[in-house]
Amino acid sequence: GAVVSQHPSWVICKSGTSVKIECRSLDFQATTMFWYRQFPKQSLMLMATSNEGSKATYEQGVEKDKFLINHASLTLSTLTVTSAHPEDSSFYICSARDYGPYNEQFFGPGTRLTVL
Amino acid sequence: GQQVMQIPQYQHVQEGEDFTTYCNSSTTLSNIQWYKQRPGGHPVFLIQLVKSGEVKKQKRLTFQFGEAKKNSSLHITATQTTDVGTYFCASSGYALNFGKGTSLLVTP
Repeated sequence: GAVVSQHPSWVICKSGTSVKIECRSLDFQATTMFWYRQFPKQSLMLMATSNEGSKATYEQGVEKDKFLINHASLTLSTLTVTSAHPEDSSFYICSARDYGPYNEQFFGPGTRLTVL
Repeated sequence: GQQVMQIPQYQHVQEGEDFTTYCNSSTTLSNIQWYKQRPGGHPVFLIQLVKSGEVKKQKRLTFQFGEAKKNSSLHITATQTTDVGTYFCASSGYALNFGKGTSLLVTP
């Protein structure tokens, strides 16, 4: 199946700093990638849809100025958490759709962000 | 997106017992996907159901899509410790709308 990588796998930062998370599709081109957030023992919540060459589409309640998304190429999307605070600590997962027979999404391994 | 509700939230079984998780929607779904997430891992695609009344099997796993396409179920026969994880259903439109998941714990 298609492979999606994410970097870093975990990061610890101080409150007020910004953190960039990269999501790459390794063996296919993804015009669309999705960013999810998952709190402990909870489900995945869609944050935004990242579109190559255009602005991301954010879900209701997600601050676009806080969670900056850039999809500069067909294989790379980045999520920058700006001025991070402890409540932003979470597991961030990206996914990309491979337009195969099942239209399934392939998930990156996730990035665990801890803001002190 | 189409919202899906999933029950139960948790299930604890002895190895060898069966397990079922249910996914329900108030609206007709175009399709339903099932994912498994191991503790500390990321969701992995299991299967997609599209047709009304569809039943698909993967070894000990049986997936079913309701006749009205408003509900789905995942049944695991004779659970093993490797089945531990959270099972999510998701309605698939442009993006995925995940249910809250059912966490399965299997004790030897």
